[in-house]
Amino acid sequence: KAGVTQTPRYLIKTRGQQVTLSCSPISGHRSVSWYQQTPGQGLQFLFEYFSETQRNKGNFPGRFSGRQFSNSRSEMNVSTLELGDSALYLCASSLDLFSGNTIYFGEGSWLTVV
Amino acid sequence: AQTVTQSQPEMSVQEAETVTLSCTYDTSESDYYLFWYKQPPSRQMILVIRQEAYKQQNATENRFSVNFQKAAKSFSLKISDSQLGDAAMYFCAYRSANNDMRFGAGTRLTVKP
Repeated sequence: KAGVTQTPRYLIKTRGQQVTLSCSPISGHRSVSWYQQTPGQGLQFLFEYFSETQRNKGNFPGRFSGRQFSNSRSEMNVSTLELGDSALYLCASSLDLFSGNTIYFGEGSWLTVV
Repeated sequence: AQTVTQSQPEMSVQEAETVTLSCTYDTSESDYYLFWYKQPPSRQMILVIRQEAYKQQNATENRFSVNFQKAAKSFSLKISDSQLGDAAMYFCAYRSANNDMRFGAGTRLTVKP
């Protein structure tokens, strides 16, 4: 069974631009969550989606948004990019919203803002 | 808010030896889950082991085991018979009943041949 797939894997954007990252969960998984990983702040939770609805949100500004489609695929968008948004963005999926479920991570999307 | 603390930024172990990675967390909740994830250079997070807070028995997965002390809010990971492939960043994570997930800062484990 295919794992969590994230695209693109690497991208470079300019300050002020926006970016959209995509995530395809493991087949049958309906919950998708996003995380930001930086050397300074570590791993931080962005948001979680289930049944096309945002169920949980971390402490990030409104420039960070996401959505989930009916096939459970998810996208996250960052508008008005800042240098500090340079990070590894990890997507993860799990079966449903049960907090004890194992969360499976993708390989991440490396975003560099210049 | 829940916080997760990994006090050892780096650890080193000789191949075939045993190493213990420390993790403490702070929470006022009684129902939660704890995880150890491994992040190799590829950066893909891989689940090592999970523990339900309501279970007193420590979780074990082959060479990996935990020492879960709920009252002390401690969740350490023991790796036995360390292998070169165990070298990675290890993250301790806490997940609340409402899916709020927090990670520690990580411990970089080096395995010496």
